[in-house]
Amino acid sequence: GAGVSQSPSNKVTEKGKDVELRCDPISGHTALYWYRQSLGQGLEFLIYFQGNSAPDKSGLPSDRFSAERTGGSVSTLTIQRTQQEDSAVYLCASSLEAAVTEAFFGQGTRLTVV
Amino acid sequence: DQQVKQNSPSLSVQEGRISILNCDYTNSMFDYFLWYKKYPAEGPTFLISISSIKDKNEDGRFTVFLNKSAKHLSLHIVPSQPGDSAVYFCAASDPGTYKYIFGTGTRLKVLA
Repeated sequence: GAGVSQSPSNKVTEKGKDVELRCDPISGHTALYWYRQSLGQGLEFLIYFQGNSAPDKSGLPSDRFSAERTGGSVSTLTIQRTQQEDSAVYLCASSLEAAVTEAFFGQGTRLTVV
Repeated sequence: DQQVKQNSPSLSVQEGRISILNCDYTNSMFDYFLWYKKYPAEGPTFLISISSIKDKNEDGRFTVFLNKSAKHLSLHIVPSQPGDSAVYFCAASDPGTYKYIFGTGTRLKVLA
């Protein structure tokens, strides 16, 4: 596709349930990033992929969060046993080369845990 | 520990005037800087970037200035338009970790 695509756009889930968020990066982009933005906050780094590898998982808030990327393309961010503090907009971005070219963002997934 | 700081949470400017958004960073190893604009319910949109080997980059109404000795960059929008009203984030890329590190954003309101 022309841009970064994220699905779903909105997700409401009950506390304790697992959720999966999907990101389709721009074709050919080797680097893929996940960020989240909580209400009134800046962009918090979660994880970065170079190809299918995640050299830096330091931003994942807890072991309930995991992410994978397959085929150097699609990525999924999984949150297990969701908590209310997980409510945020989850943003995915991709770039042609990590940290030396601009990153392009998807529209985000708004996650609400009730 | 905030490595990229935008100390002004908000800024109001009259239409047609210059908007100046500021950003400071702490890590002298950062070598590539970017500005993004974000409308509500949308993802951030890339605006303009600058490499640390330059001190100025211009694209239409948008100019970014980089002062490496002061670890400071700024985004100038001239002339400002009501459609520029949005939250602006500056970001720096860390060559050691390949992360883009974002500031907390400045909400710009351009008054008609």
